[in-house]
Amino acid sequence: DAGVIQSPRHEVTEMGQEVTLRCKPISGHNSLFWYRQTMMRGLELLIYFNNNVPIDDSGMPEDRFSAKMPNASFSTLKIQPSEPRDSAVYFCASSFHATEAFFGQGTRLTVV
Amino acid sequence: DQQVKQNSPSLSVQEGRISILNCDYTNSMFDYFLWYKKYPAEGPTFLISISSIKDKNEDGRFTVFLNKSAKHLSLHIVPSQPGDSAVYFCAASPGGSNYKLTFGKGTLLTVNP
Repeated sequence: DAGVIQSPRHEVTEMGQEVTLRCKPISGHNSLFWYRQTMMRGLELLIYFNNNVPIDDSGMPEDRFSAKMPNASFSTLKIQPSEPRDSAVYFCASSFHATEAFFGQGTRLTVV
Repeated sequence: DQQVKQNSPSLSVQEGRISILNCDYTNSMFDYFLWYKKYPAEGPTFLISISSIKDKNEDGRFTVFLNKSAKHLSLHIVPSQPGDSAVYFCAASPGGSNYKLTFGKGTLLTVNP
């Protein structure tokens, strides 16, 4: 298995632009997580899905952030409009039931 | 309010010696605990886990100890190797049908040759 695949690996965008991050979880996994890593706050859970349904989105910072999982093999995290304080590394992870989560390599987002 | 705390931002040890990384948690609902290792420019990778019904779990050079009454866990690496140099994250979840992981801020381990 190729593992969790995230794209793009790096994204540089101007403030106010829409940004879409993509994730393909490991086949057969039924939970998907979006995390954000910053120096100040470490790894924060933004949202997690179970069987494609959002279960907990309490970590989504603002309405500018939205996430979708239209099917078991694809998820997106969208920021619209983006702001410089959104600059961070965004990780997607997947797991099967209550086992450990496997992480992708992350998307480094820079908003200028 | 940090529910999972790793109070040491960094740790330096000599190759061949023991590395001990510590983690404290405040949420008594946490039932399942994990350690992840992260190299620069990569995602965290799972290392070892422990359920609250155990107090120790061992996998090769890595052992995790859990003290539920103290809400404390630790990761022991023996012997430490230079390739172990990475950031180590402690994580916890309520277990059962709740798969949400809460992470500590990590400890940077440096193993010197």
